[in-house]
Amino acid sequence: ELKVEQNPLFLSMQEGKNYTIYCNYSTTSDRLYWYRQDPGKSLESLFVLLSNGAVKQEGRLMASLDTKARLSTLHITAAVHDLSATYFCAVAYGGSQGNLIFGKGTKLSVKP
Amino acid sequence: DSGVTQTPKHLITATGQRVTLRCSPRSGDLSVYWYQQSLDQGLQFLIQYYNGEERAKGNILERFSAQQFPDLHSELNLSSLELGDSALYFCASSVGWSFSGNTIYFGEGSWLTVV
Repeated sequence: ELKVEQNPLFLSMQEGKNYTIYCNYSTTSDRLYWYRQDPGKSLESLFVLLSNGAVKQEGRLMASLDTKARLSTLHITAAVHDLSATYFCAVAYGGSQGNLIFGKGTKLSVKP
Repeated sequence: DSGVTQTPKHLITATGQRVTLRCSPRSGDLSVYWYQQSLDQGLQFLIQYYNGEERAKGNILERFSAQQFPDLHSELNLSSLELGDSALYFCASSVGWSFSGNTIYFGEGSWLTVV
């Protein structure tokens, strides 16, 4: 059974600082997704990572995938308050791309 | 706005009742997925349909069922509702269905409260 672990689960940062969220998964998969969720809202797609060594960047967020280590990271550079949200990683399981196993999420709070 | 439309946005119903949640995928998307988000279970994949056919099943209870119609909209039917079914139910859609790595777009969700 595929398990996905994120850490930390809670992260309080100051504006301007850098930090990394880690996503470990237990079974081989080559499709990993990062999503952002604001309280009570939908999930916004951030990145889709499809191959070993994949790196994608959007603004202050950069995601990478190491399929050999079964690890993905979401790096936050020079955090700003608008990045405060919960971030989920999700790993595709089996043949269906939508059969996603989600991590518990990392609740990020960026303080001035 | 992801382009995935869900109705109703909020629903309060009593235990033992039956409800239907509706989803319209993004234009051009053939796959529809249903997920449940609750405080204790987190986000869980329930079921996927592709072009009208069931393609994958996750942790969907026997009391729940879904279908996708010829116009590609989907409905999730929840019956014999229990308090523990209270959750946020998301519909999502994508173009493909397997191994394609397409972005999966989520709707705003339907909040179900069972009292």
